[in-house]
Amino acid sequence: ELVLTQSPGTLSLSPGERATLSCRASQSVSSAFLAWYQQKPGRAPTLLVYGTSSRATGIPDRFSGSGSGTDFTLTISRLEPEDFAVYFCQQFGTSPWTFGQGTKVEIK
Amino acid sequence: EVQLGQSGAEVKKPGESLKISCEGSGYSFNYYSIGWVRQMPGKGLEWMGIIYPDDSDTRYSPSFQGQVTISADKSISTAYLQWSSLKASDTAIYYCARLIAAQDYYFDLWGQGTLVTVSS
Repeated sequence: ELVLTQSPGTLSLSPGERATLSCRASQSVSSAFLAWYQQKPGRAPTLLVYGTSSRATGIPDRFSGSGSGTDFTLTISRLEPEDFAVYFCQQFGTSPWTFGQGTKVEIK
Repeated sequence: EVQLGQSGAEVKKPGESLKISCEGSGYSFNYYSIGWVRQMPGKGLEWMGIIYPDDSDTRYSPSFQGQVTISADKSISTAYLQWSSLKASDTAIYYCARLIAAQDYYFDLWGQGTLVTVSS
């Protein structure tokens, strides 16, 4: 099974700061098969980024995805109050499809 | 409006059976696969399996193969997740999600989730 390891587990930042979230895969993942989701408490996940770097419809440009091979990154350029949430990466390159364990972005 | 609507919360006893549903609306349900994702209390997301409603072709994660059954009724735009004998460890929120499988793969649309509580 392809394991996705997200770091850090928790990121404590202030509004306006930059957030950098990492997703490392145990084997190479095609860029087409790496997505990021945001989940707020008590809510379903929502798609943020697909194909490593394409923003989903309606997602502001402060969110950006990058990476290749085994190392992928989600960057939030300037945190807004509504961005404090948990973020998951997911790979579709190898079955079973797997998620990272999540990074919680909390208010410092 | 394009959406996936899931059935309501369930409280069951160990050993009981259960079938939860996910109804798609606002798009051609038959031609987009529906995946199921488990989230145990306070934990992350786990992909369980996927079904293509048009021909009911189904794939399971090995972790869930034999533990659940995924099905669909395309005539009513609904996918299902069912258990024949629930365990306490099945307590979780279950999400359905629509798969986009083109040049890229991703779940673009999620249901609101169904909370399943299994307790004696």
